[in-house]
Amino acid sequence: QSVLTQPPSVSEAPRQRVTISCSGSSSNIGNNAVNWYQQLPGKAPKLLIYYDDLLPSGVSDRFSGSKSGTSASLAISGLQSEDEADYYCAAWDDRLNGWVFGGGTKLTVL
Amino acid sequence: EVQLVESGGGLVQPGGSLRLSCAASGFTFSSYWMHWVRQAPGKGLVWVSRINSDGSSTSYADSVKGRFTISRDNAKNTLYLQMNSLRAEDTAVYYCARDVAYCSGGSCVYYFDYWGQGTLVTVSS
Repeated sequence: QSVLTQPPSVSEAPRQRVTISCSGSSSNIGNNAVNWYQQLPGKAPKLLIYYDDLLPSGVSDRFSGSKSGTSASLAISGLQSEDEADYYCAAWDDRLNGWVFGGGTKLTVL
Repeated sequence: EVQLVESGGGLVQPGGSLRLSCAASGFTFSSYWMHWVRQAPGKGLVWVSRINSDGSSTSYADSVKGRFTISRDNAKNTLYLQMNSLRAEDTAVYYCARDVAYCSGGSCVYYFDYWGQGTLVTVSS
């Protein structure tokens, strides 16, 4: 059972937009920044979004992040087949004194 | 180019030990905090441990506390994870990751900007 809650899977057609939610509590998302990671099949995770909504250099602006209260969201617009991956949210947890991740969401582009 | 290369994984019996290494290159290793994150087969990411830049401060997830020890050798640009009393539930791919701070307006937030390719640890008799 992950501390941060994500839907196990989402799917959408190419060129459409999809959002992935991440729900936490006051000790993690409510008080700390949220980061998002993309894990392509068989690969290591890659930083996608940091500090709730900032894009690292080289990441497509089709990806965007947002946060409100104890929840965060990742949005992907103009879906492409290469976006098929697992997506994880993460945040520092003040109560556990460690990093916590969501359980991951598998994105399928139909 | 930043590179993190893990090694040391393999098959070990329950109760056994293993030491993982993460060789860093392409950046000033001694300036960065580092982490270990693991992923059981078909499961999600789980944070394991972190160490500060000079090795004087460490922290662990409750699941590994007292069994795992994180350390580093800044002269060798290498991060380590000593794993003792291994259990079946420790079976996972272990990734090392670099911790970076983004500071704005007097406060800083942290994230993992580079990850290694991972090394598989299998605990089984």
